[in-house]
Amino acid sequence: SQQGEEDPQALSIQEGENATMNCSYKTSINNLQWYRQNSGRGLVHLILIRSNEREKHSGRLRVTLDTSKKSSSLLITASRAADTASYFCATVTGANNLFFGTGTRLTVIP
Amino acid sequence: DTAVSQTPKYLVTQMGNDKSIKCEQNLGHDTMYWYKQDSKKFLKIMFSYNNKELIINETVPNRFSPKSPDKAHLNLHINSLELGDSAVYFCASSPATYVGYTFGSGTRLTVV
Repeated sequence: SQQGEEDPQALSIQEGENATMNCSYKTSINNLQWYRQNSGRGLVHLILIRSNEREKHSGRLRVTLDTSKKSSSLLITASRAADTASYFCATVTGANNLFFGTGTRLTVIP
Repeated sequence: DTAVSQTPKYLVTQMGNDKSIKCEQNLGHDTMYWYKQDSKKFLKIMFSYNNKELIINETVPNRFSPKSPDKAHLNLHINSLELGDSAVYFCASSPATYVGYTFGSGTRLTVV
């Protein structure tokens, strides 16, 4: 299976703290993407990092990619209660098909 | 609004029935997809459809069939529904190049 794994499965932090989620995958990739899913809703694309990139920023989000270790991390700085959601990494290989990780459930306590 | 829209949002049906879920995107994207999210939140690709060509079918039972009347629509037909088909089904679309997907809000299918 090309599905990745995320760590931790669940994370609970206080508002204002930083949240870090990790993703590991198995095959060579073209790019890796992170998505957010609020409870009962669809997935929202957050950020894409290509295989030749090592770090990318978007607002309070920072994504790193280590292709030698087949891993990525998502850092959310200065978390807010509204960041409470499930976060998924997803990899793209040859064709533009997304293979999702298992997800991290983030809870930000006000 | 530009979006991927799917209907219905909820679908409750009995085993053995045949049902369809509709999906439409007005983003002008070239490729559309169907994903299944199970009770453990695992998301698995079912179909990828580009210009009326099925690109991928990941070990999906042949009771499931995508139908694309045009580039903006990819409907999912399910025959002889089984209890194990209960899940949330997401439609998505993307441009031809390697960029993020846009997902619909999902259809929660419950087979009783």
